Amino acid sequence: GAVVSQHPSWVICKSGTSVKIECRSLDFQATTMFWYRQFPKQSLMLMATSNEGSKATYEQGVEKDKFLINHASLTLSTLTVTSAHPEDSSFYICSALDSRDTGELFFGEGSRLTVL
Amino acid sequence: GEDVEQSLFLSVREGDSSVINCTYTDSSSTYLYWYKQEPGAGLQLLTYIFSNMDMKQDQRLTVLLNKKDKHLSLRIADTQTGDSAIYFCAESIDFNKFYFGSGTKLNVKP
Repeated sequence: GAVVSQHPSWVICKSGTSVKIECRSLDFQATTMFWYRQFPKQSLMLMATSNEGSKATYEQGVEKDKFLINHASLTLSTLTVTSAHPEDSSFYICSALDSRDTGELFFGEGSRLTVL
Repeated sequence: GEDVEQSLFLSVREGDSSVINCTYTDSSSTYLYWYKQEPGAGLQLLTYIFSNMDMKQDQRLTVLLNKKDKHLSLRIADTQTGDSAIYFCAESIDFNKFYFGSGTKLNVKP
């Protein structure tokens, strides 16, 4: 199946610093990518929808100035957690929708962020 | 977002069939998905079904969709210990949003 790569897989940072997480579709083009946050008790929360060449659409309650999303090309979307705090520690997962409208949504391996 | 609900746990014996159930609320869902998440890993797409289908079979996996009751199920035949994972169902409405259930943790006992 198609591959979506996330990097880094785990990052530890100090409170107040910013962290960038990359999401790449390796063998297909993705006009639309999604960013999720997974909480310890399993549930996935949709944070934002990222469309190539336009501004991301954020879900209610997600601070767009805190979680900056850039989707500059058909194979790359980035999530930057700005001025990270310990409560931002979480597992962040991206997914990419195949532009050929096959209906298939593929996920990255996830990035674990730990803020000290 | 839309409500997608699953039971949290399921325990079966190796060799038995597993049935994981999911209900959703939005009748305009276009696609419905099943994903598998192993410990510490990302989500792996297992299968998906278009909303105008009732059933889809792929090797050991059978997906049943009851659109009238907004009920989706995933049956795993001959369940193996390697099938132990968390299974998420998800619905999509025209690919604009994807909403996930809370996941069902499948435990397969030898």
